[in-house]
Amino acid sequence: GAVVSQHPSRVICKSGTSVKIECRSLDFQATTMFWYRQFPKQSLMLMATSNEGSKATYEQGVEKDKFLINHASLTLSTLTVTSAHPEDSSFYICSARVGGGTYEQYFGPGTRLTVT
Amino acid sequence: AQSVTQLDSHVSVSEGTPVLLRCNYSSSYSPSLFWYVQHPNKGLQLLLKYTSAATLVKGINGFEAEFKKSETSFHLTKPSAHMSDAAEYFCVVRINNAGNMLTFGGGTRLMVKP
Repeated sequence: GAVVSQHPSRVICKSGTSVKIECRSLDFQATTMFWYRQFPKQSLMLMATSNEGSKATYEQGVEKDKFLINHASLTLSTLTVTSAHPEDSSFYICSARVGGGTYEQYFGPGTRLTVT
Repeated sequence: AQSVTQLDSHVSVSEGTPVLLRCNYSSSYSPSLFWYVQHPNKGLQLLLKYTSAATLVKGINGFEAEFKKSETSFHLTKPSAHMSDAAEYFCVVRINNAGNMLTFGGGTRLMVKP
């Protein structure tokens, strides 16, 4: 149980284009999902927290107009990197948290984004 | 605010020898503590967690960690390293308040020599 998937696992896009990454909780409903970014050989940094049906909360320094987050259902959150640039190349990892007083986060396998 | 410090960015051991990955935390509240492992280009796998029950926590793959409040430490150990243990390890703290956000340590890369 508690499986989180991400799609795609790898994506290469040209500078200036937009890319959408999906995060799905496969066997549970996630009231809250989190998006992290990981640069090579570095730790995970929280980008934003999304709650189903409401606007995402972005961490300081994360551009909300560049990293669009939608959490339209209890099993799906999407991260869209708009007008991507090479410096957006990174490993993006989502996690999902079950509600109802349980605070465990379950992590997806990550998406490697390369912007050329 | 909470923070997590992993004292070693790299640890190298020989196969069959003990592993020690060090982690210290700071927190104003009662924390939950986790160790995750990440293999190259993979997501995070939970090794073990401490959530205010027994201070010695046993996890998967022979790993264990001991919560020492007086030392604000949560070091990860394994008696005998295996080649497949080579990976990045993250110590993570969660403060048990309304936010319940995770704070990650900087990570420790474990290398296992044959």
